[in-house]
Amino acid sequence: DGGITQSPKYLFRKEGQNVTLSCEQNLNHDAMYWYRQDPGQGLRLIYYSQIVNDFQKGDIAEGYSVSREKKESFPLTVTSAQKNPTAFYLCASSIGRFNQPQHFGDGTRLSIL
Amino acid sequence: DAKTTQPPSMDCAEGRAANLPCNHSTISGNEYVYWYRQIHSQGPQYIIHGLKNNETNEMASLIITEDRKSSTLILPHATLRDTAVYYCIVVSEAAGNKLTFGGGTRVLVKP
Repeated sequence: DGGITQSPKYLFRKEGQNVTLSCEQNLNHDAMYWYRQDPGQGLRLIYYSQIVNDFQKGDIAEGYSVSREKKESFPLTVTSAQKNPTAFYLCASSIGRFNQPQHFGDGTRLSIL
Repeated sequence: DAKTTQPPSMDCAEGRAANLPCNHSTISGNEYVYWYRQIHSQGPQYIIHGLKNNETNEMASLIITEDRKSSTLILPHATLRDTAVYYCIVVSEAAGNKLTFGGGTRVLVKP
């Protein structure tokens, strides 16, 4: 079945550590996105990539980094510079045109120990 | 992107139609209206989208007013599994396909 896989589902991090969240898609989509969701809030865009080897900052990119070396993969690193990393992180992909929908993974919940 | 306004919550009886309103009075001519829903602790699920014509798929119908300033998502026969937060989002090409999620409508389907 085609879809978006995020792993792990739950992740714990000690303060001061970097941590990388995985996102893989087999939908042959060009565009991929990372969002952050805090409790009771909507999603906010962290980074997005419309093509391999290219990505742009979203609304809340500080403290995060990404890479897009393969079409299928768009990992997100939460660095120690991110002051409040505890959140629900969602990855999405799309064909890349604004008149086509984004499809989401099931998310990774990150907590600080 | 145009802002959207939705009621914060609504209840619906199981088996009845659920009509979810959305105001987007500042929408411009090339902006699409999208609907997503999010069941607790899961990723958002795409439901339907449209530009100016009414749309229907296996999940729902989307009715857009002629002036495009508002729309209604219709779930024809609500089930308990339709309990979720429903988001109405306006998307423009200029925004690079970015989805801006507001507060949404929390829909509770009751038996």
